Amino acid sequence: GENVEQHPSTLSVQEGDSAVIKCTYSDSASNYFPWYKQELGKRPQLIIDIRSNVGEKKDQRIAVTLNKTAKHFSLHITETQPEDSAVYFCAASTPGAQKLVFGQGTRLTINP
Amino acid sequence: DVKVTQSSRYLVKRTGEKVFLECVQDMDHENMFWYRQDPGLGLRLIYFSYDVKMKEKGDIPEGYSVSREKKERFSLILESASTNQTSMYLCASSLLTGGNEKLFFGSGTQLSVL
Repeated sequence: GENVEQHPSTLSVQEGDSAVIKCTYSDSASNYFPWYKQELGKRPQLIIDIRSNVGEKKDQRIAVTLNKTAKHFSLHITETQPEDSAVYFCAASTPGAQKLVFGQGTRLTINP
Repeated sequence: DVKVTQSSRYLVKRTGEKVFLECVQDMDHENMFWYRQDPGLGLRLIYFSYDVKMKEKGDIPEGYSVSREKKERFSLILESASTNQTSMYLCASSLLTGGNEKLFFGSGTQLSVL
């Protein structure tokens, strides 16, 4: 079955700098790659997703890139702010699987 | 907005007890899921259901069972709780079947088994 590896497990950046979180997946048939953000004590929420027919997607300060050949995708956050501090999860799914497989999570801390 | 409600925020149980975790969603979603969240292990799928009375095993079903008697309600059952089931349990739902739909999560139940 699908396996998703996420790195790094923790990331600390200065406010205003950029942050990058990377995920690799094992099943080349995977076609949907969402990112979820979980603030401390709150539920995970979808922040951005990408499908396999595009290589990049942006939404204000966040972007996701997908490299199907290498089977990896990344979350990019620019001009980081304190409210970006959270745990971020990547995930992948294959057609017909009816479920998402999540990575291990990255705890992002933005230092003022 | 979609609301996914889990019955308890914190729960403390004894080893060997039967434990019920309840989840209700209010938007007529087809799919419902139970995940457990442990530090460094991410979100791992226990069971999911794509229809009333239907259930599918996830990646870590051992020691758990589920029940979906009504479309809006999905229950997770620990038949005989053990200390290694101490964890945060998250319920989620999605509108349609298939793995490429947005998940709406509940607030979670932190279960401690003593």
